[in-house]
Amino acid sequence: NAGVTQTPKFRVLKTGQSMTLLCAQDMNHEYMYWYRQDPGMGLRLIHYSVGEGTTAKGEVPDGYNVSRLKKQNFLLGLESAAPSQTSVYFCASSSLQQGDSNQPQHFGDGTRLSIL
Amino acid sequence: GQNIDQPTEMTATEGAIVQINCTYQTSGFNGLFWYQQHAGEAPTFLSYNVLDGLEEKGRFSSFLSRSKGYSYLLLKELQMKDSASYLCAVRGISSGSARQLTFGSGTQLTVLP
Repeated sequence: NAGVTQTPKFRVLKTGQSMTLLCAQDMNHEYMYWYRQDPGMGLRLIHYSVGEGTTAKGEVPDGYNVSRLKKQNFLLGLESAAPSQTSVYFCASSSLQQGDSNQPQHFGDGTRLSIL
Repeated sequence: GQNIDQPTEMTATEGAIVQINCTYQTSGFNGLFWYQQHAGEAPTFLSYNVLDGLEEKGRFSSFLSRSKGYSYLLLKELQMKDSASYLCAVRGISSGSARQLTFGSGTQLTVLP
């Protein structure tokens, strides 16, 4: 029962470096999401995808890019990391089935990212 | 836009009952979710309300009043393992097919022996 898997779990970067966070789900979900979680601010949506090959901006997209080349994978990229991007990043997925309005989002265990 | 308010912290005693409130303002409403998140872990789904009333699931119940923009999560027979952050999340009509959620900042519940 893998569910939603995020790699890496921890990473420390220097300002200006780039990296990609990988999210993989094995539940055949159509929708995938990237959030960041900061103390006192809850989960904020960065980007999301409603299907393979499609992405859209969320609440806080600046400084991030995403790609959904395969249905099961959703990648989050930081082109030039900044200290303000120090956060815990969560990936989530949910299903598209008809009449499933109560289908919840399933979350990965998170990636703890520090930008020095 | 959407705004969600919930208390930052609550403390209760093992075996007791606690109610965590959530109020929201949204341009449209298409469901409210409660998630539990233990420190350093992923949020996990607890309950869903889209119609007014109470949904019961074991020791946990969730209530919704759409006219008041209000929900609560009720935890009975508290156990030490219930110490966690509880997140209220609202899905607005403007989310369309993307099923986007807007999360509150979470309520940190501490259960004391």
